Amino acid sequence: EVQVVESGGDLVQAGGSLRLSCTASGFTFNFYAMSWVRQAPGKGLEWVSTISGSGSGTYYADSVKGRFTISRDNAKKSVFLYMSSLRAEDAAVYYCAKDSLPAAGHFDYWGQGTRVTVSS
Amino acid sequence: EIVLTQSPATLSLSPGERAALSCGASQTIRSNSLAWYQQKPGLAPRLIIYDASSRATGIPDRFSGSGSGTDFTLVISRLEPEDFAVYYCQQYDNSPPYTFGQGTKVEIK
Repeated sequence: EVQVVESGGDLVQAGGSLRLSCTASGFTFNFYAMSWVRQAPGKGLEWVSTISGSGSGTYYADSVKGRFTISRDNAKKSVFLYMSSLRAEDAAVYYCAKDSLPAAGHFDYWGQGTRVTVSS
Repeated sequence: EIVLTQSPATLSLSPGERAALSCGASQTIRSNSLAWYQQKPGLAPRLIIYDASSRATGIPDRFSGSGSGTDFTLVISRLEPEDFAVYYCQQYDNSPPYTFGQGTKVEIK
């Protein structure tokens, strides 16, 4: 059974930093790109970042480029999102999602989400 | 960046009725690289359709997707009570950045 579990969400001050973690199981982890998608309160989905299966390719939304860093540890079947210079508009539930097929770009398994709150 | 515009914002229908949701793209999406997701309150999104018209695993056949280029449609042939939710389209043309539409809420009339 495929499982994706996020952790690390917290209340942080504007300008601060936070690291989110995502641990997966039930599939050949290094075959699949993994992504972070966020959802601000009462708003829609926003793609944040993707990392390729090998970790050699990383991609970011313009809204987070230069502030967020995605990484992965295939031995630990984990993906991370390091967020710095946090802003009020970064407050959201952050979902970790698995590509449906290697490098597919659509997501078949999602975690339950972890909430990031940014105080000013 | 490809911008996706979904319409209508809200669809008020009764169980058993047909729902048709639209997703328009600001530029041509190559290889029909478009997905649809269903999201219920407090839950993560669920993949419904990928590659514009392929149903994801376990999705009932009352859900169908169609379209190409810049215009895509999700149809739910006969709404069941569990289908009332928010639906998002997402494009994954070529490589990131990926984008989502703003969502269509299908609510009980």
